Amino acid sequence: GDSVTQMEGPVTLSEEAFLTINCTYTATGYPSLFWYVQYPGEGLQLLLKATKADDKGSNKGFEATYRKETTSFHLEKGSVQVSDSAVYFCALRVSQGAQKLVFGQGTRLTINP
Amino acid sequence: DAGVIQSPRHEVTEMGQEVTLRCKPISGHDYLFWYRQTMMRGLELLIYFNNNVPIDDSGMPEDRFSAKMPNASFSTLKIQPSEPRDSAVYFCASSSYTDTQYFGPGTRLTVL
Repeated sequence: GDSVTQMEGPVTLSEEAFLTINCTYTATGYPSLFWYVQYPGEGLQLLLKATKADDKGSNKGFEATYRKETTSFHLEKGSVQVSDSAVYFCALRVSQGAQKLVFGQGTRLTINP
Repeated sequence: DAGVIQSPRHEVTEMGQEVTLRCKPISGHDYLFWYRQTMMRGLELLIYFNNNVPIDDSGMPEDRFSAKMPNASFSTLKIQPSEPRDSAVYFCASSSYTDTQYFGPGTRLTVL
């Protein structure tokens, strides 16, 4: 079935470090891909998305490129801040007509000053 | 525009009691989702509705759980009787067709 696998956490970095959180997926058809972020005590918020191969989603300095050949959607940021500390979820929606999201297990990120 | 509203934000109850969680979706959204988040199992979709009709309830763990959506602006998730293993954060989310899901702040449920 459809699934999303994220890199194991937790991840701890120093401020201004480069961030990569790996995400790979298994899906039939042509899924849309998402990154959601959950700050402490809050619900999930959409961070960025990509709906077709080679699309790049970007927001708040974060980027992810939809790579169909490697079935990946890795999240990157060039210089992280303490305020980026949160849990990050990769997710897929199996087709345009579908509504269900399949989430990865989440990766907890802590940025130290 | 107000986001997804959930109540209560925190609920502490004793085993065997009935628990009702409430959700008000974003106005104009015709999809509503209920999720459960635990450390062990991560984020799980319990059920979702389209135009107030349940479409997929395959994630509902057992008969103790039920969900209703009597109108476009209100949904409930009920657990009766509650058990300690139901302790989790329950999220409601809403969306319009093919659009992004917007999550509420969640209800933290503790069953003693």
